[in-house]
Amino acid sequence: EAGVTQSPTHLIKTRGQQATLRCSPISGHTSVYWYQQALGLGLQFLLWYDEGEERNRGNFPPRFSGRQFPNYSSELNVNALELEDSALYLCASSFFPGLEAFFGQGTRLTVV
Amino acid sequence: GNSVTQMEGPVTLSEEAFLTINCTYTATGYPSLFWYVQYPGEGLQLLLKATKADDKGSNKGFEATYRKETTSFHLEKGSVQVSDSAVYFCALKEGSGGSNYKLTFGKGTLLTVNP
Repeated sequence: EAGVTQSPTHLIKTRGQQATLRCSPISGHTSVYWYQQALGLGLQFLLWYDEGEERNRGNFPPRFSGRQFPNYSSELNVNALELEDSALYLCASSFFPGLEAFFGQGTRLTVV
Repeated sequence: GNSVTQMEGPVTLSEEAFLTINCTYTATGYPSLFWYVQYPGEGLQLLLKATKADDKGSNKGFEATYRKETTSFHLEKGSVQVSDSAVYFCALKEGSGGSNYKLTFGKGTLLTVNP
């Protein structure tokens, strides 16, 4: 069974541009979570989607947004990129809200 | 709000040494507790978990006991191997009844095991 897949693996953008990151959950999983892993800051919760709806949001500015599609895949958009947005972005999915979350290998976003 | 504090690394041990990584938490209610491991260049993998007080999670020789009285969930292994070299994250899960689920993580502890 395929795990959580994220694309692209690496992404390089310039300041002010927009970045789009994608996540495909494990088949049958309806919940998708996004986390930011910035150097020295650990893992910070970004967003939680379930059944196509945004259920919870971390302490991030509105330029971080996303959506979940009918097939439960998800997209994270970061607008007006800033240098400090450079981080590893991890997506996780679970079969049901609150059950064990399985993580993908992440997208490394570098803003120059 | 809820928070997780784990010992700062890096931790460097020789093979077969005893490992302890301390983790304490602050939470309202009764969270579930987790240890995740991140091997170099990879995403996070769940190592073990405990869902209520006095539960002991165990996997691959690692153990951690949910201590409500000390709000702790320390990770231990009796004899580490070079292959255990990784970053270890302590985490708690908030939320119940279908709302506000999220994981709150500690900052991670880098473990290096030398042969």
